[in-house]
Amino acid sequence: AQSVAQPEDQVNVAEGNPLTVKCTYSVSGNPYLFWYVQYPNRGLQFLLKYITGDNLVKGSYGFEAEFNKSQTSFHLKKPSALVSDSALYFCVPALNDYKLSFGAGTTVTVRA
Amino acid sequence: DAGVIQSPRHEVTEMGQEVTLRCKPISGHDYLFWYRQTMMRGLELLIYFNNNVPIDDSGMPEDRFSAKMPNASFSTLKIQPSEPRDSAVYFCASSLPSSGGRNEQFFGPGTRLTVL
Repeated sequence: AQSVAQPEDQVNVAEGNPLTVKCTYSVSGNPYLFWYVQYPNRGLQFLLKYITGDNLVKGSYGFEAEFNKSQTSFHLKKPSALVSDSALYFCVPALNDYKLSFGAGTTVTVRA
Repeated sequence: DAGVIQSPRHEVTEMGQEVTLRCKPISGHDYLFWYRQTMMRGLELLIYFNNNVPIDDSGMPEDRFSAKMPNASFSTLKIQPSEPRDSAVYFCASSLPSSGGRNEQFFGPGTRLTVL
């Protein structure tokens, strides 16, 4: 079974500062992890995924995530946040049967 | 590509009425998913199809809900009769096939349903 935890309900950062959204996972076997973002009043958009290979995964809109096996983490990062990055972010495990399990996510607010 | 298309974008109806939500997946995507999002329950998977065949409908809340996919480019989610607790945003998503479901899903803009 695969599950994730996003320990922060909300993250607040100033524009231009680094943004980190935390995610830890608990899996049996190899994890398959996704990050999705939901902008206000819009559908979800895929940001990036980790399947195998390089631990540093680069995604859309300048985001990247580092898969850390020893810490069982897959934190989402952006070096310099924009106000337009304000959204709801989901760390999502991919289950073998095509189901994505969405939790409550982390609300990011970037202040100008 | 136009992405996943959903219609209508907004639907307001009265309790007891039939509601039909529509989805056109991305061309070439063999998997189609229906989700529901509410403040209380978050994002829930209702049902998904592979090659037009329903694979898992365990998330469908009750018999009032039904979904069909008559062809590769069209799916419907029907609620009959509708109830106020069905008010939510309904998303459709599609994806390419892969081993173990490890391809990303592409979501439509959603249909905001309000049942009075």
